[in-house]
Amino acid sequence: TQLLEQSPQFLSIQEGENLTVYCNSSSVFSSLQWYRQEPGEGPVLLVTVVTGGEVKKLKRLTFQFGDARKDSSLHITAAQPGDTGLYLCAGYSTSGTYKYIFGTGTRLKVLA
Amino acid sequence: DSGVTQTPKHLITATGQRVTLRCSPRSGDLSVYWYQQSLDQGLQFLIQYYNGEERAKGNILERFSAQQFPDLHSELNLSSLELGDSALYFCASKPPPGLANEQFFGPGTRLTVL
Repeated sequence: TQLLEQSPQFLSIQEGENLTVYCNSSSVFSSLQWYRQEPGEGPVLLVTVVTGGEVKKLKRLTFQFGDARKDSSLHITAAQPGDTGLYLCAGYSTSGTYKYIFGTGTRLKVLA
Repeated sequence: DSGVTQTPKHLITATGQRVTLRCSPRSGDLSVYWYQQSLDQGLQFLIQYYNGEERAKGNILERFSAQQFPDLHSELNLSSLELGDSALYFCASKPPPGLANEQFFGPGTRLTVL
């Protein structure tokens, strides 16, 4: 079974601090997506990374796909209270069943 | 707004009852995915349909069933409801193969079983 493990599970930081969230698997993914979900709402797509070693930036958010396409990271610079939410990585299983797998999630709280 | 619609937004019912959740995908998307999210838990994949046919199954209970209609909207049927079925149910749609791997999520239906 392909799994996506995220760390840390919970993170509470002060406004202005930097942080990194990790998404790891023992399996290769053809692409990975990162989503942010706010309480009671559906996940909202942030980015897709496709190529090993790829780096994408979205304002203060930097996403990286590992060279072997087994892991990814999300780095937030100068976090703001508006960044608070549940961050999820996700990707398609390559085991033949074509299931979309979500990571275990990182719940971020940014304090003003 | 993702373009995916779900109804109803909230549903309160009693144990043993049956409910139907509805999802309309984004225009042009052929795939619909259903997920369950319990309190403070991650998204659990239930089932996927592509152009009217079941494509993949996740941890979907036998009491649950789904279908996708010719107009591509989908319904998730939950029967013999139990307290533990209380959760947020999301559907997501995906562009046709080759265009993108992202999924676009609806606002969810919050089901409360009393």
